[in-house]
Amino acid sequence: AQTVTQSQPEMSVQEAETVTLSCTYDTSENNYYLFWYKQPPSRQMILVIRQEAYKQQNATENRFSVNFQKAAKSFSLKISDSQLGDTAMYFCAFMKRRGGGTASKLTFGTGTRLQVTL
Amino acid sequence: GAGVSQSPSNKVTEKGKDVELRCDPISGHTALYWYRQRLGQGLEFLIYFQGNSAPDKSGLPSDRFSAERTGESVSTLTIQRTQQEDSAVYLCASSLLRTVRREKLFFGSGTQLSVL
Repeated sequence: AQTVTQSQPEMSVQEAETVTLSCTYDTSENNYYLFWYKQPPSRQMILVIRQEAYKQQNATENRFSVNFQKAAKSFSLKISDSQLGDTAMYFCAFMKRRGGGTASKLTFGTGTRLQVTL
Repeated sequence: GAGVSQSPSNKVTEKGKDVELRCDPISGHTALYWYRQRLGQGLEFLIYFQGNSAPDKSGLPSDRFSAERTGESVSTLTIQRTQQEDSAVYLCASSLLRTVRREKLFFGSGTQLSVL
């Protein structure tokens, strides 16, 4: 079974600054995917960024980037130029790769509540 | 519809009663997931429907929980004889079940269940 750990229950950052959210995971799988999801007060989960474990290059999506360390089983999210709209819960998630690359269930961490302040 | 729709948005029930939660996925989405999110916790996987294949029920916590989906349409999650520990937000998600490279889960806004 896979486990995902987010050790920071809450984080705060000032607008325009950079913040890094931590995530570690434990798995015996070699082929998998990692995700960061954002959950605003509306409760709707929104995909922020995705990383394929077989890729060494870190994924980036505009102001969001990850630091993926496969050997250390670490997958942190960096948010640059933080904006007030980034205030939300952030969840790290793991998905085992099935044959053919099709999707399977996501295993989530407990989340980090990020507050962006003026 | 434009997105994944869940109803009701909020449900308050008494301990011991049965409840039924509904999820309308995006039209054409073959995969549908149910997750439970307890207060201050991450999402716990409950069940996964994939086209016409047998569903993955490995996350259902007890035999009080069941879910159905007819074809690629609406799904209902039923909780019988509700307990206070069942209080949580129940989230539904759907996807086209393409390869994970292009996979994107679309989540609904959930049903907040409160068992008194």
